[in-house]
Amino acid sequence: DAGVTQSPTHLIKTRGQQVTLRCSPISGHKSVSWYQQVLGQGPQFIFQYYEKEERGRGNFPDRFSARQFPNYSSELNVNALLLGDSALYLCASRSTGMNTEAFFGQGTRLTVV
Amino acid sequence: GQQLNQSPQSMFIQEGEDVSMNCTSSSIFNTWLWYKQDPGEGPVLLIALYKAGELTSNGRLTVQFGTTRKDSFLNISASIPSDVGIYFCAGQGTGRRALTFGSGTRLQVQP
Repeated sequence: DAGVTQSPTHLIKTRGQQVTLRCSPISGHKSVSWYQQVLGQGPQFIFQYYEKEERGRGNFPDRFSARQFPNYSSELNVNALLLGDSALYLCASRSTGMNTEAFFGQGTRLTVV
Repeated sequence: GQQLNQSPQSMFIQEGEDVSMNCTSSSIFNTWLWYKQDPGEGPVLLIALYKAGELTSNGRLTVQFGTTRKDSFLNISASIPSDVGIYFCAGQGTGRRALTFGSGTRLQVQP
């Protein structure tokens, strides 16, 4: 079975540009979350989506937005990129239920120059 | 953003030695998880704990969920070279699916 897949794996953008990152969850998982991992730190929660609705948002500016599609895949958009947005962006999916764990994709390495 | 206090920050040990690391929080969590991350990869789930005081083993890994629900401990016995990586703890609160991560423990194993 395929795990969580993210695309692209690497991306270089210029300050001020916009970027879209994509995520496909594990088959059957309806919940997708996005995390930002700056070098040397643990992942920081950005968004959670479930059944195409935003269910949680971390402490990130409005330049960050996301959506979830009917097939449960998701996109993360970042506008007006800053140098500080350079990070590994991780997508995690989980199934519904009481005790369910989050499984992560390999991430998208975004470099802003 | 909030992060859990994870220690030690890094460890360099000899193959065959045991390893201990821990995570503490000022907040209560209902679930504690431990992940391992290799360079250029996403975190891989090692083990999850759901009950305060729970002690769980998975092969050479032993993990405990503190009774106060504010801490967790990970032990690795008889370390091997493939244990090299960064270990993260993560907590999850009631009704929230967002994970709060520690800053990681970098483990290096000398063959």
